[in-house]
Amino acid sequence: VIWMTQSPSLLSASTGDRVTISCRMSQGISSYLAWYQQKPGKAPELLIYAASTLQSGVPSRFSGSGSGTDFTLTISCLQSEDFATYYCQQYYSFPRTFGQGTKVEIK
Amino acid sequence: QVQLVQSGAEVKKPGASVKVSCKASGYTFTSYGISWVRQAPGQGLEWMGWISAYNGNTNYAQKLQGRVTMTTDTSTSTAYMELRSLRSDDTAVYYCARRGSGSSPIDYWGQGTLVTVSS
Repeated sequence: VIWMTQSPSLLSASTGDRVTISCRMSQGISSYLAWYQQKPGKAPELLIYAASTLQSGVPSRFSGSGSGTDFTLTISCLQSEDFATYYCQQYYSFPRTFGQGTKVEIK
Repeated sequence: QVQLVQSGAEVKKPGASVKVSCKASGYTFTSYGISWVRQAPGQGLEWMGWISAYNGNTNYAQKLQGRVTMTTDTSTSTAYMELRSLRSDDTAVYYCARRGSGSSPIDYWGQGTLVTVSS
């Protein structure tokens, strides 16, 4: 089993801020990492896959980086619609584990 | 457009079983797999397992082995997830989600089905 440590669990920020979320793996997963955004009462949505590839339709203020064991999601200029919870997931091996989630809230 | 439409909310007693359906449209069903993910109230996402719609191969989370069965009906492009011997900590929103072949991410999600287990 690949264990994931996602941090921080809570991030307080203001509109316009640059924010970063980290995801660390217990073993290397190459670039088999995805990031999802979830808003209250809604299903998650895919933002980034292959660690750094933006899903079609996702704003360019979202970016992903990393490979191996350390990954980062960056939102360059936080917008009001970005206040949500973000999850990383590895799809390198079974079970397909998720990070614990990072809630981005208004400061 | 890709759509995954799940069955409605369920209320079950401890020890009972539940079967959630997920009807796919907008793509070739057998070219993708279906993952199941659940989310307990106020908690994070938990991967439950995956089934290939091409050949029916499955992979289940170890903690659910023996209690969960995932199946597909290719004639109706529908996936099913059955969970047996329900406990109160199985109360959650259950999501189906599309996943490509090999090492591919989940790219589309169903709307979720709330399963409540209560005596």
